[in-house]
Amino acid sequence: TQLLEQSPQFLSIQEGENLTVYCNSSSVFSSLQWYRQEPGEGPVLLVTVVTGGEVKKLKRLTFQFGDARKDSSLHITAAQTGDTGLYLCAYSSASKIIFGSGTRLSIRP
Amino acid sequence: GAVVSQHPSWVICKSGTSVKIECRSLDFQATTMFWYRQFPKQSLMLMATSNEGSKATYEQGVEKDKFLINHASLTLSTLTVTSAHPEDSSFYICSQNSQGQETQYFGPGTRLLVL
Repeated sequence: TQLLEQSPQFLSIQEGENLTVYCNSSSVFSSLQWYRQEPGEGPVLLVTVVTGGEVKKLKRLTFQFGDARKDSSLHITAAQTGDTGLYLCAYSSASKIIFGSGTRLSIRP
Repeated sequence: GAVVSQHPSWVICKSGTSVKIECRSLDFQATTMFWYRQFPKQSLMLMATSNEGSKATYEQGVEKDKFLINHASLTLSTLTVTSAHPEDSSFYICSQNSQGQETQYFGPGTRLLVL
């Protein structure tokens, strides 16, 4: 079982639509990270959220850390085909990065 | 530019053979590297922590005799899949921490197909 459960597992939407993906746990974390992985490549760090309730924006991507630091969400506004990929939340434990179950996002033109 | 490189990027081998995957740190010395495995349509699962000059630390359920890790220098860690079987077919990814330990950089991955 994974400590970080992501939902939905798969999401396919039309270009221009908005979407939110979730990363949930029953554990409390000092921080959570979000990565995006494209097919055939390694994951790339998008953001790290540290403070409960924190909101970080990266262009059309908005990341939020839950008040209790148990969950996080990623909202994408006006999705583009270039947003297609596997979105992973993760936490750090003794320098190791442990990934969530992932959300595979497909944006249709 | 890339911080971590992997070689080869893909490999096809026959069942029963051994395959070695290299992970190189390009920008700085890495005393610790990590190896992950990713099956199709799944997330990355940590396999082991590679420590320069000492034995690797394996995650629960990962066979250390099957996945041999050698970290003989500060810029190179190797993962050898011994006696590979079709169920070992996967995407293998290595990573290392930044010098400040705040960010982890991932390699481009090696796709292994065992026939």
